[in-house]
Amino acid sequence: GIQVEQSPPDLILQEGANSTLRCNFSDSVNNLQWFHQNPWGQLINLFYIPSGTKQNGRLSATTVATERYSLLYISSSQTTDSGVYFCAGTSGGSYIPTFGRGTSLIVHP
Amino acid sequence: EAQVTQNPRYLITVTGKKLTVTCSQNMNHEYMSWYRQDPGLGLRQIYYSMNVEVTDKGDVPEGYKVSRKEKRNFPLILESPSPNQTSLYFCASRRTGSNEQFFGPGTRLTVL
Repeated sequence: GIQVEQSPPDLILQEGANSTLRCNFSDSVNNLQWFHQNPWGQLINLFYIPSGTKQNGRLSATTVATERYSLLYISSSQTTDSGVYFCAGTSGGSYIPTFGRGTSLIVHP
Repeated sequence: EAQVTQNPRYLITVTGKKLTVTCSQNMNHEYMSWYRQDPGLGLRQIYYSMNVEVTDKGDVPEGYKVSRKEKRNFPLILESPSPNQTSLYFCASRRTGSNEQFFGPGTRLTVL
């Protein structure tokens, strides 16, 4: 299966700062998604973004499929952005998504 | 309210004692799946189901069983749990044709 690398593994920010999280794939990926797991463990879909750019409020994501990476931008970070951010994708005809190990984000007030 | 529910939320059990974790969704989704989450490993899919009576193995199916007799329910069965199945388990569902997955709240299982 594909390998998914996320960077950085850990990130500490002051409230109001901007950040960029990266996801690299070892092969062409379909159905690329970003998720947020809050400190209480709840998993939330952020973006389905196989290619191109999407924005949702302070968050935006860009996937460059030909270069096998995706970026998640968080602007004007808030303490509620804390948690772990995962990217995941499938390859070929597989229905089984491969998740990265996540980026753990802590936003201090 | 559209949701995925899991029960129990927390469970401590002993090796070899059969257990079932239930998952139910009220969104009429065709696709359901189970994941386990372990520190440093992200989420790994255990089993998935494309629809009623259609199930297939994910990345880590060993030691688990599932069934999909009804569209809304997708229980995860551990016939003989072992300590290496201690983990945080998530059930998820989505509509066929959509890529937005809805996750349950998670079940934290400890096998002693």
